[in-house]
Amino acid sequence: GAVVSQHPSWVICKSGTSVKIECRSLDFQATTMFWYRQFPKQSLMLMATSNEGSKATYEQGVEKDKFLINHASLTLSTLTVTSAHPEDSSFYICSARAQNREEGYTFGSGTRLTVV
Amino acid sequence: QKEVEQNSGPLSVPEGAIASLNCTYSDRGSQSFFWYRQYSGKSPELIMFIYSNGDKEDGRFTAQLNKASQYVSLLIRDSQPSDSATYLCAVYASGGSYIPTFGRGTSLIVHP
Repeated sequence: GAVVSQHPSWVICKSGTSVKIECRSLDFQATTMFWYRQFPKQSLMLMATSNEGSKATYEQGVEKDKFLINHASLTLSTLTVTSAHPEDSSFYICSARAQNREEGYTFGSGTRLTVV
Repeated sequence: QKEVEQNSGPLSVPEGAIASLNCTYSDRGSQSFFWYRQYSGKSPELIMFIYSNGDKEDGRFTAQLNKASQYVSLLIRDSQPSDSATYLCAVYASGGSYIPTFGRGTSLIVHP
């Protein structure tokens, strides 16, 4: 099946620094990838839709200048959390859909971000 | 606004029993329905998908879809403690947007 690789799996950073999370589709091309955030015991929250070669579409309430998304190729999307603060600590998950595959979306393994 | 509703649970069943997880959705034109399992601290993994009314079986799992009632369910037979997780229902909206709407998930606990 389709595989999505996400790195790093966990990261600890200091307040005010930036963190980049990578999401790669390994065996298919993904024109669209999605970025989610999940707080403990809560559901997935869609942050943005990443479109290859164009600007990302952000959900209401998500700061586009804080969560920078780049989708420069058909297999790679990155999420950069800029000037991170403790309230940004969360579980970030990407997903992508292989076209013409009926199994729908495949999720990356997720990134646990802790801002101290 | 498209909504997907799930009982948050927890649903507690004894080992070996059948666990029944339910999901309702508001968009009558929805076409694709997915069940994901999410262990604590992990990302969701696909369990089953269903497109047509009726039942679809895969091992111990059966997905049931009733589009008239806007209802999709997941049955887990012979539940095992390793099935303890949160189960997410996802619905693809009509119109080809391919952006899924997720339910909040149902926490399942299978006790020995």
